[in-house]
Amino acid sequence: EVQLLESGGGLVQPGGSLRLSCAASGFTFSSYAMSWVRQAPGKGLEWVSGISASGATTYHADSVKGRFTISRDNSKNTLYLQMNSLRAEDTAVYYCAKSRLMVDTTQSDCWGQGSLVTVSS
Amino acid sequence: QSVVTQPPSASGTPGQRVTISCSGSSSNIGENTVNWYQQLPGTAPKLLIYKNNQRPSGVPDRFSGSKSGTSASLAISGLQSEDEADYYCAAWDDSLNGVVFGGGTKLTVL
Repeated sequence: EVQLLESGGGLVQPGGSLRLSCAASGFTFSSYAMSWVRQAPGKGLEWVSGISASGATTYHADSVKGRFTISRDNSKNTLYLQMNSLRAEDTAVYYCAKSRLMVDTTQSDCWGQGSLVTVSS
Repeated sequence: QSVVTQPPSASGTPGQRVTISCSGSSSNIGENTVNWYQQLPGTAPKLLIYKNNQRPSGVPDRFSGSKSGTSASLAISGLQSEDEADYYCAAWDDSLNGVVFGGGTKLTVL
């Protein structure tokens, strides 16, 4: 069974940093692109970052570019999102998502349960 | 405000057919395939349609997708109460070099 388990969320002050992790199991992690998608309270889905299966190619939304970094460790079957210079508007549930493909991150066929990040003083 | 537009709400009665539209531009829907996600209340999103009109295994054939030009549609036939959820379209945007989601459509089964 494919499983994605996010961790690392919590309360952080504006300007602070946090690293989210997503532990994957039940599939060959190194063969699929992965993404982070967030959802602010009561709002819609917003794509944050994507990474190819090998990790060689990464993409970030303009809203987080220069502040967030997506990475992966295929030897540990784990996806990461390093979040720096956090702002109140980054408050959201962050979902880890698996793509159906190696590079394309638009077709996410498996999602984690989400990790809540709250940015507040 | 999203670069891909969906109606905020839609509704129908059990057994009815409803459609949800998704309007974009030449940099996203016009040039790339569209995917649809269903998000039931309090749960993570689920892939419903990929590559405009393909259903993942386990998705009932009551759900269908189509695309024409810079717009796409999700159709749900034989509407059921368990279809009450938020629906999102998504596509790659060549100008933004990232994925764009529609604002979402809340479907109510009356």
